[in-house]
Amino acid sequence: SQTIHQWPATLVQPVGSPLSLECTVEGTSNPNLYWYRQAAGRGLQLLFYSVGIGQISSEVPQNLSASRPQDRQFILSSKKLLLSDSGFYLCACPDTDSYNEQFFGPGTRLTVL
Amino acid sequence: GNSVTQMEGPVTLSEEAFLTINCTYTATGYPSLFWYVQYPGEGLQLLLKATKADDKGSNKGFEATYRKETTSFHLEKGSVQVSDSAVYFCALSESGFQKLVFGTGTRLLVSP
Repeated sequence: SQTIHQWPATLVQPVGSPLSLECTVEGTSNPNLYWYRQAAGRGLQLLFYSVGIGQISSEVPQNLSASRPQDRQFILSSKKLLLSDSGFYLCACPDTDSYNEQFFGPGTRLTVL
Repeated sequence: GNSVTQMEGPVTLSEEAFLTINCTYTATGYPSLFWYVQYPGEGLQLLLKATKADDKGSNKGFEATYRKETTSFHLEKGSVQVSDSAVYFCALSESGFQKLVFGTGTRLLVSP
């Protein structure tokens, strides 16, 4: 089965600062990868997904961007953070044992002050 | 578009009480349905799933039945424990796709 690593686990950043969150996956090759955000008082929202290296689909317009420089690496970035970017960011990939399920990483909690 | 609606929380129960968390969905096609759980300070874990109408998913004493006629997938447990305190998310995934659409989540608080 797969393992998803996310770092950092927590992050406090000032408004206007840049952001880079990293997700790496083990135990699977060429997976679809997903970034979700859970904002305070709101549900989980799909931000980006990628079906392969260099391929990114954005689900919602926003201040963030994503990149996939390697097969099992997925990065979420921002040039200038907004207060509204605060939230819990989760990386996910299909479960290797059951393809229509998604397996989630431990998440990164981002607080923008 | 596809959407999932969950009951508002928090749901506060005493230990051994019966739990129901309502979930209804709107989807084109034939989605798979899921319940995910998020324990305090942790990421999401799959709790149970159902992939077609009338399927019942079950795990750890929780159950949910895929009801196509009412477009519902309500989560139930006969006797909750303090350790069940968490946020529960209902979600759907369209057949052939892997993107999940989540409900807003329902926080469950179980007191001794």
